[in-house]
Amino acid sequence: SQQGEEDPQALSIQEGENATMNCSYKTSINNLQWYRQNSGRGLVHLILIRSNEREKHSGRLRVTLDTSKKSSSLLITASRAADTASYFCATRHTGANSKLTFGKGITLSVRP
Amino acid sequence: DGGITQSPKYLFRKEGQNVTLSCEQNLNHDAMYWYRQDPGQGLRLIYYSQIVNDFQKGDIAEGYSVSREKKESFPLTVTSAQKNPTAFYLCASSPSGLAFTGELFFGEGSRLTVL
Repeated sequence: SQQGEEDPQALSIQEGENATMNCSYKTSINNLQWYRQNSGRGLVHLILIRSNEREKHSGRLRVTLDTSKKSSSLLITASRAADTASYFCATRHTGANSKLTFGKGITLSVRP
Repeated sequence: DGGITQSPKYLFRKEGQNVTLSCEQNLNHDAMYWYRQDPGQGLRLIYYSQIVNDFQKGDIAEGYSVSREKKESFPLTVTSAQKNPTAFYLCASSPSGLAFTGELFFGEGSRLTVL
């Protein structure tokens, strides 16, 4: 399966702490994307990192990519209660017309 | 505002009935997708369409049908042949088809429950 696997499955932290979520995949990628989903809602794109990039920032988000280990990490700094959601890693694999493949997601709970 | 509108938000169906989920976008995107999400699971691709009047099966197309008669619309029919249709259904779009490597834009989802 080309599906990415997130780790941990669930994460509970205190407001103000940093949250680190990991994603591993098996085959070569064109890019890796992170999405957020609030309970009962649609997915919202957070950030995209290409295979030739190692780190990218967007506001309180920092994503890293290690293609040699086939893994990525999403760091949310200074977490807020409003960051409580599920986070999904999605991989766009190399090859023509490659579909976007989603992992099972990580449930993040940020306690006020 | 530009976006993707899915309706209805909640739908209940009796076994043996077909139901159609609506997905409309005003983003002028060429490509549209339907995903199914089950509790604790990732998204699984049902069907996708890269251009009007054309669509392809995804990973779990059995028991589903779609049409793409207009660029803005990509309805999904869940037929009685779908053995376990209770799920959360998500519609998405992108500026172009699989050659586009960027992000997808999602609707708010439709939750289907079979009674």
